[in-house]
Amino acid sequence: QKEVEQNSGPLSVPEGAIASLNCTYSDRGSQSFFWYRQYSGKSPELIMFIYSNGDKEDGRFTAQLNKASQYVSLLIRDSQPSDSATYLCALKTNDYKLSFGAGTTVTVRA
Amino acid sequence: SAVISQKPSRDICQRGTSLTIQCQVDSQVTMMFWYRQQPGQSLTLIATANQGSEATYESGFVIDKFPISRPNLTFSTLTVSNMSPEDSSIYLCSVPQGQDLGGYTFGSGTRLTVV
Repeated sequence: QKEVEQNSGPLSVPEGAIASLNCTYSDRGSQSFFWYRQYSGKSPELIMFIYSNGDKEDGRFTAQLNKASQYVSLLIRDSQPSDSATYLCALKTNDYKLSFGAGTTVTVRA
Repeated sequence: SAVISQKPSRDICQRGTSLTIQCQVDSQVTMMFWYRQQPGQSLTLIATANQGSEATYESGFVIDKFPISRPNLTFSTLTVSNMSPEDSSIYLCSVPQGQDLGGYTFGSGTRLTVV
């Protein structure tokens, strides 16, 4: 089983809608989780990190973590065409390495 | 958070040759990581570059193919040796942003094409 499983999409949403991205992980000992955004031809950019159960909001982005069920999600509210990108879920392992999911490509239709 | 300068940004190389990629960080960092992103794929960790000791390689990656140097706490190089077309990828370095539970920053990447 891969360490991080991410629904690979692609995901297409209309402008103004909510985009919902999900990830599950296998190691119950994982402490911190990250969502990166990667535009085509660019390097990944950190948009959210979360390490406590519950929700964490930053602007139009909300990260959700449920350690009992071993999933982490990202909601993008009021999606804009500029949100069109690949979103990568990652977790930090016990030896401080990042393990990435496969990525979900999001397209926001104007 | 740390700022990374990575170069070259891209290169086209002949098979059988080697390319060295450099990452310079604007602050001292204990750990630096090298990733590969194959076309249409996610990121795969190649190795952890440790200052003053040998790099630690992930399964499937070996020092002879990807030698790494880490002469100080702000600089590292990754060499892709004896290249083949299968090595065509984006190579990225990454460092912690600072907090123990915080995220990691990535360099701008090196897009390598082997012909």
